[in-house]
This record gives sequence, C-alpha cells and structure tokens, in this order.
Amino acid sequence: KAGVTQTPRYLIKTRGQQVTLSCSPISGHRSVSWYQQTPGQGLQFLFEYFSETQRNKGNFPGRFSGRQFSNSRSEMNVSTLELGDSALYLCASSFEQPYNEQFFGPGTRLTVL
Amino acid sequence: AQTVTQSQPEMSVQEAETVTLSCTYDTSESDYYLFWYKQPPSRQMILVIRQEAYKQQNATENRFSVNFQKAAKSFSLKISDSQLGDAAMYFCAYRTYNNNDMRFGAGTRLTVKP
Repeated sequence: KAGVTQTPRYLIKTRGQQVTLSCSPISGHRSVSWYQQTPGQGLQFLFEYFSETQRNKGNFPGRFSGRQFSNSRSEMNVSTLELGDSALYLCASSFEQPYNEQFFGPGTRLTVL
Repeated sequence: AQTVTQSQPEMSVQEAETVTLSCTYDTSESDYYLFWYKQPPSRQMILVIRQEAYKQQNATENRFSVNFQKAAKSFSLKISDSQLGDAAMYFCAYRTYNNNDMRFGAGTRLTVKP
C-alpha cells in the first residue's frame, strides 16, 4: 500500500506570495493532519480535516488555510507569505477513531525569500 | 494546555548498548495516547511505539520499550542493542482520545557510535 505522499517536495517563494501544498493520504484514511516543523518552534499542529470538514485547528493565523476533497486528498494554502513561514510542512493521515496511528509523509520544504 | 517536554536535546550511545530517552508531559486528561516517533535524516517520521494511558503494562516493540509512569506523567523510551540505523531525532508526542491534535516535544537527537 502506498504511503502518504506530498507535493511538491521543495518550494521557494518570495514574501507576499501565496503557496499551495498537496497531500495524498494512504488509501482508506479519511483523516489528514498538517504540521509545521521549524528549528525554533519544533513541530506544531496546524489543522486536521476529516470527511472534507476541518475538525481541529491549531494556533496559527488565518493566512493558513486548508481543505479536503471527497477522495480525502488535502491541500493547505498559505497566503501573504512571511519569512517566518519557511519550514518543513508535514502531512499525516490516519483512519478514524479508534485507529490512532498517524502516518507521516516526507514533507514539503518551503523556503520564503 | 497539554505540553510535552524532552529535556535531552542530544544523546549518544555506543552500538549494541542501551540508551533511555526521557519525556514528561502535562495534562489534566485521564485518557490519552503517548507516542515515540523517529525522524531519520531523510525526514520521514516513523512511529516507533505507542502507549494507551489506560494500560498499565508498558508497551514493547522488539528492541524498543517504554517506561510509562502515569502518576509522574513520565514516558521514557529505552532502546536496547542500539544499531547504527537508530540514529535519528526522536520525538515524544501526546494526544487525547478524541482529538488528532498531536503535541510534540522538542526532540532528542540520538547519535549511535560504531
């Protein structure tokens, strides 16, 4: 079974631009969570989608948004990019409860110049 | 708010030896999950082991075992017979039963010396 895939793997943007990252979960997984990983703040939860609905949200500004499609694929969008948005963005998928293991993708490395 | 603390930024172990990574957490919940994830230099996070809070028995997965002390809110990871492939960042993580919002510690970088 294929793992979680994320595209693109690397991205370079400039301040003020917007970016869209994509995540394809493992087949059958309906929950997709997004995390931001930086050296300074570590791993921080962004949001979780389940059945096309945002179920949980972390403490990030409204510039960070996401959505989930009927096939469970998810996208996250960051508008008006700031230098501090440079990070590794990880996506993780899981079954619905009680299956609780999250499987992570390889991440998208975003660099904002 | 739930927090996870890993007090050891870096640890080193000799190949074939045993090492223990520490993790403490803070929560007011009684039901939750605890995890140890491994992130090798390739960056793909891999689940090493998990523990349900209601289970008193410590989880074990081959060379990996945990020491779960619920009252002390402590969740350490023991790696036995360390191998070169164990070198990675190790993250302790917490989540409640009903929420996929996983809280991670800052991580411990484990080096394995041949």
